[in-house]
Amino acid sequence: AQKVTQAQTEISVVEKEDVTLDCVYETRDTTYYLFWYKQPPSGELVFLIRRNSFDEQNEISGRYSWNFQKSTSSFNFTITASQVVDSAVYFCALSELVSNYQLIWGAGTKLIIKP
Amino acid sequence: DAMVIQNPRYQVTQFGKPVTLSCSQTLNHNVMYWYQQKSSQAPKLLFHYYDKDFNNEADTPDNFQSRRPNTSFCFLDIRSPGLGDAAMYLCATSSFRDLRSPLHFGNGTRLTVT
Repeated sequence: AQKVTQAQTEISVVEKEDVTLDCVYETRDTTYYLFWYKQPPSGELVFLIRRNSFDEQNEISGRYSWNFQKSTSSFNFTITASQVVDSAVYFCALSELVSNYQLIWGAGTKLIIKP
Repeated sequence: DAMVIQNPRYQVTQFGKPVTLSCSQTLNHNVMYWYQQKSSQAPKLLFHYYDKDFNNEADTPDNFQSRRPNTSFCFLDIRSPGLGDAAMYLCATSSFRDLRSPLHFGNGTRLTVT
């Protein structure tokens, strides 16, 4: 069955440290999409990135980078030089093409950046 | 800016008293979703509309209904709220139904049931 595991319930680091949020997924499908969303304390979920199963290229966007490895079924998210504004809950999610529009969410990782 | 707007931001209702939450979008997206999110949990899909085609999740309680009078607006009706329905309700849109498209969320309505 499809599943997304974010084993880190909560991470706390001091500002300017690098931090990696783990995401491990399970799927039966060869065609699927992976997403990361950010939910700051205000509550609005914000889309960060989408990756399809045929594109294993890593991506960097400013201080954010994503490492997609099909061999380990992982899609990890790294924040470099973290800032207080990065404090939020981060969700990893999976969508399979044959799953009838279901988006499978991880449980989320609460990231606390201390000044 | 194109966006998804939810009103009200906070809603308090009494046990058993019907309540309606609203969502509007200026993105002109075909698909609109309602999610329920309880504290420290991931969002849970309640239902979605593809244009006027309504799709209910199998485990969504009958107490929850939805209306989409036009492309821009979608409403969530809770007919008889119970204490267990207290949660954040999130509206989202996407341009495609198959979820390749990212979801665009509103900032949510936090429902309190007294």
